[in-house]
Amino acid sequence: EPEVTQTPSHQVTQMGQEVILRCVPISNHLYFYWYRQILGQKVEFLVSFYNNEISEKSEIFDDQFSVERPDGSNFTLKIRSTKLEDSAMYFCASSSWTGHEKLFFGSGTQLSVL
Amino acid sequence: RKEVEQDPGPFNVPEGATVAFNCTYSNSASQSFFWYRQDCRKEPKLLMSVYSSGNEDGRFTAQLNRASQYISLLIRDSKLSDSATYLCVVNEGGGGNKLTFGTGTQLKVEL
Repeated sequence: EPEVTQTPSHQVTQMGQEVILRCVPISNHLYFYWYRQILGQKVEFLVSFYNNEISEKSEIFDDQFSVERPDGSNFTLKIRSTKLEDSAMYFCASSSWTGHEKLFFGSGTQLSVL
Repeated sequence: RKEVEQDPGPFNVPEGATVAFNCTYSNSASQSFFWYRQDCRKEPKLLMSVYSSGNEDGRFTAQLNRASQYISLLIRDSKLSDSATYLCVVNEGGGGNKLTFGTGTQLKVEL
């Protein structure tokens, strides 16, 4: 069964450092997303991406965040200068053209900012 | 005001029991509705979509009441493997296909 793949599974970084979280969406999917979940809290929307541009972003997704689809397979989330409060599980998701409302999530990257 | 509200539980039930979860949402313009399941520290996995006509998938039945902005999930003959957090999820429409998650209801099925 096709799946969304995320790397790394865990990332530890120092406050103020840049991190890049990587995702390989399901191959025929056209819509891509990043969500995050702080420990003990709900899953929160960050950004959606379609046709090589951001479709929608939340208030969390400020100027420190950016997304990119550098080639035909990868979808990345960059945090330029990490803060302690960025510590969370980051989930990538994708959905297809015909079933775009049904999102399939990757297993997540646990980001710890020290 | 919470956008998607759920009782956090936990619901502790014996194996074989029937358990029901409820959820309310605040945005009346919401377009589609889902139940996701999340195991501890894992990704959310789509359990089922929810329709006004009601829909059933094996032991799981979901129902949507648009007038009351209320969503339900019924699990019959619960199994140990059903133990997880059940997330009520709403797509509010718009170009971004954004999902809004509830905080989840924790289910523990016991022997």
